[in-house]
Amino acid sequence: DVKVTQSSRYLVKRTGEKVFLECVQDMDHENMFWYRQDPGLGLRLIYFSYDVKMKEKGDIPEGYSVSREKKERFSLILESASTNQTSMYLCASSPGGLANYGYTFGSGTRLTVV
Amino acid sequence: DQQVKQNSPSLSVQEGRISILNCDYTNSMFDYFLWYKKYPAEGPTFLISISSIKDKNEDGRFTVFLNKSAKHLSLHIVPSQPGDSAVYFCAASSYNQGGKLIFGQGTELSVKP
Repeated sequence: DVKVTQSSRYLVKRTGEKVFLECVQDMDHENMFWYRQDPGLGLRLIYFSYDVKMKEKGDIPEGYSVSREKKERFSLILESASTNQTSMYLCASSPGGLANYGYTFGSGTRLTVV
Repeated sequence: DQQVKQNSPSLSVQEGRISILNCDYTNSMFDYFLWYKKYPAEGPTFLISISSIKDKNEDGRFTVFLNKSAKHLSLHIVPSQPGDSAVYFCAASSYNQGGKLIFGQGTELSVKP
């Protein structure tokens, strides 16, 4: 069964902390994505990557960075966590090329910044 | 600018009746559309998709209709079941954006027994 695994289901961090959210996929997918889900705003794209060491900004990259050192792993980094980054974070992967194959999502990480 | 819009945050339907979820888009370059279903504390799962060369795609109880001239698509669920209660996201993509999907705000469907 294909999987996208996010390392934590729930996280509570303090304002100003550096936060790492990890995502691993076992499907040999080229594309990986980080979204956040907020009520009334849907899923908004933070960053994505089409290949190892590649990264591109999504719609809301401010306050975030990413790392993709290996094909299967895509990390989201909150450089200095703030309360407005409290959200559900969703990682997804897809085969290379078009979106026709759709995404496979992880179960999400509920991050609370206090 | 919201390129994909789901204007109804919630929908309540009786079990056995039809559920119709709507989605509008503004970018005429979009050529592929998908619906995802999300339960609480889980990631979204792919439900059904449609290419812009079609106007209808059916999979069991789920049918997606695409009206390109109106830039509108809808998801029909017939008959609705209590297990269909979830948040439904519409998503769109264009060929020149590679694998990137743009999602709507979501509609929470509640199917009452």
